[in-house]
Amino acid sequence: NAGVTQTPKFQVLKTGQSMTLQCAQDMNHNSMYWYRQDPGMGLRLIYYSASEGTTDKGEVPNGYNVSRLNKREFSLRLESAAPSQTSVYFCASRRGGGDNQPQHFGDGTRLSIL
Amino acid sequence: GDSVTQMEGPVTLSEEAFLTINCTYTATGYPSLFWYVQYPGEGLQLLLKATKADDKGSNKGFEATYRKETTSFHLEKGSVQVSDSAVYFCALSDQNQFYFGTGTSLTVIP
Repeated sequence: NAGVTQTPKFQVLKTGQSMTLQCAQDMNHNSMYWYRQDPGMGLRLIYYSASEGTTDKGEVPNGYNVSRLNKREFSLRLESAAPSQTSVYFCASRRGGGDNQPQHFGDGTRLSIL
Repeated sequence: GDSVTQMEGPVTLSEEAFLTINCTYTATGYPSLFWYVQYPGEGLQLLLKATKADDKGSNKGFEATYRKETTSFHLEKGSVQVSDSAVYFCALSDQNQFYFGTGTSLTVIP
């Protein structure tokens, strides 16, 4: 019962470095999402992919890029990390096909930018 | 646009106390409503859901009723336990978009 798997779990970067956060789901879900969680601000959507081959911007896309590699995998890339991107990042997936389907979350990547 | 507003925390209760966490929503369509729970160091887990007006979602002693007339989906539990200490998020799904509240932190003391 892996569900949604995120790697790495923790990462420390220096300002200006780049990195890719990986996400994979084994539930054959169509839709996948990237959120960031900051204290007092709940979850904010960065990008989402409603289905394989499509991606769309969410509420806070600046400074990020995504790739829906295949149906299982959805990666988030920081090209030039900034301290404001210090956050906890969550990947989620959803079966799609209707609003009554819940999202399923990974355990998060805790990212610090120095 | 769509949005979710939930009560500010943190909330501190004694074991076996009654819990209510308020949640109201704004939506243009007919959304589905969810409560998620987040334990320290973990991701969000689905607690319960309701997909139409007057539906009651329930799980692990928690309940919430979808009230269209008051646009509310309040979370309740009759007797909380220390193990219920977590952050609770109300969310709605409308036209393939999810909208989350800012979360309410609950601490239950023995």
